[in-house]
Amino acid sequence: SQTIHQWPATLVQPVGSPLSLECTVEGTSNPNLYWYRQAAGRGLQLLFYSVGIGQISSEVPQNLSASRPQDRQFILSSKKLLLSDSGFYLCANKGAGNGANVLTFGAGSRLTVL
Amino acid sequence: AQSVAQPEDQVNVAEGNPLTVKCTYSVSGNPYLFWYVQYPNRGLQFLLKYITGDNLVKGSYGFEAEFNKSQTSFHLKKPSALVSDSALYFCAVRGYNQGGKLIFGQGTELSVKP
Repeated sequence: SQTIHQWPATLVQPVGSPLSLECTVEGTSNPNLYWYRQAAGRGLQLLFYSVGIGQISSEVPQNLSASRPQDRQFILSSKKLLLSDSGFYLCANKGAGNGANVLTFGAGSRLTVL
Repeated sequence: AQSVAQPEDQVNVAEGNPLTVKCTYSVSGNPYLFWYVQYPNRGLQFLLKYITGDNLVKGSYGFEAEFNKSQTSFHLKKPSALVSDSALYFCAVRGYNQGGKLIFGQGTELSVKP
């Protein structure tokens, strides 16, 4: 079965500093990967998705960017963080076969921008 | 545009009583509907889905949901609540051929008291 790893689990960064959150997937190949953000412990918003290496689609304009340097690696970045970037960031993979319509989520990375 | 509404921010239930968490949706075409659960500081866990077929869907941990096309609803239910069911519950929807691009509701906090 697939496993999604996210790190760091928790991060506190000053405004204006850079950001790199990493997501890696085990137990599957050619995953479709997604970054969601959960603000204030509630609703989730899709930020980016990727269907393959180097292929990134952005859902909302923002201060963040994403990259897919390897098949099972998905990175969320920022050059200069804003206070509004604080939140809980979740990486997800869309399943295949019987689970083709189900998203599996990682444990998340909690970012606090001060 | 696709949307999901969870009209209750919080639902309180006594242990052993039945529970219902409400969800209504709006989507073009046939909906793909999902329920996820989130425990504090954790990623989302998949509970159940409706794609096609029987309107009553059974999922993990004794939960079930009923798809009602005329009322555009997909309420989550459980016949007998447990204290361990206390968590944040999310309803999500996507349209056909939308991959993992889910639209999530704002979440409902379920509290089950002994």
